[in-house]
Amino acid sequence: GNSVTQMEGPVTLSEEAFLTINCTYTATGYPSLFWYVQYPGEGLQLLLKATKADDKGSNKGFEATYRKETTSFHLEKGSVQVSDSAVYFCALNSGNTGKLIFGQGTTLQVKP
Amino acid sequence: NAGVTQTPKFQVLKTGQSMTLQCAQDMNHNSMYWYRQDPGMGLRLIYYSASEGTTDKGEVPNGYNVSRLNKREFSLRLESAAPSQTSVYFCASSPRDSYGYTFGSGTRLTVV
Repeated sequence: GNSVTQMEGPVTLSEEAFLTINCTYTATGYPSLFWYVQYPGEGLQLLLKATKADDKGSNKGFEATYRKETTSFHLEKGSVQVSDSAVYFCALNSGNTGKLIFGQGTTLQVKP
Repeated sequence: NAGVTQTPKFQVLKTGQSMTLQCAQDMNHNSMYWYRQDPGMGLRLIYYSASEGTTDKGEVPNGYNVSRLNKREFSLRLESAAPSQTSVYFCASSPRDSYGYTFGSGTRLTVV
């Protein structure tokens, strides 16, 4: 079945460091891919998305490219800030019902 | 503000008690979802409703029931709470055939 695998956390970085959070997926067909962010005590918010191969989603300095050949959708940011500390979830849609399948989440902690 | 509203935010139940988690959205979305979030396991789909009048089981439906009362409201009921149902519950909505979810802020449920 469809699934999403994210790199284990927590990830701890210093401010202004480069961020990569790995995400790989298994799916039939051509799913859309998403990154969601969850700040402490809040619900998830859509960070970015890509709907077809080679698309690049971007928002707030974060980017991710849909790589069908490697079934990956890695999240990157060139210079993280303390305010980026959160849990990041990779997800894909499943069929035409709109259901999302989530990875287990990766906690990012950015230190000043 | 437009969005998804969940009530209550916190709840403590004794084993065997029942309760209903409420969810309402004001974005005219067709689809609504209930997820639970547990440490290290990401979000798992409990039930979803692709449109008003329909509901379907997700990945972990046992011990839960749902009602899609109208287009706005989608409630989740625990008939006889168990400690294994201690979790954070999130409601989400999306337009039909679209791929972006809007999440509520969650209900933190503890069953003792």
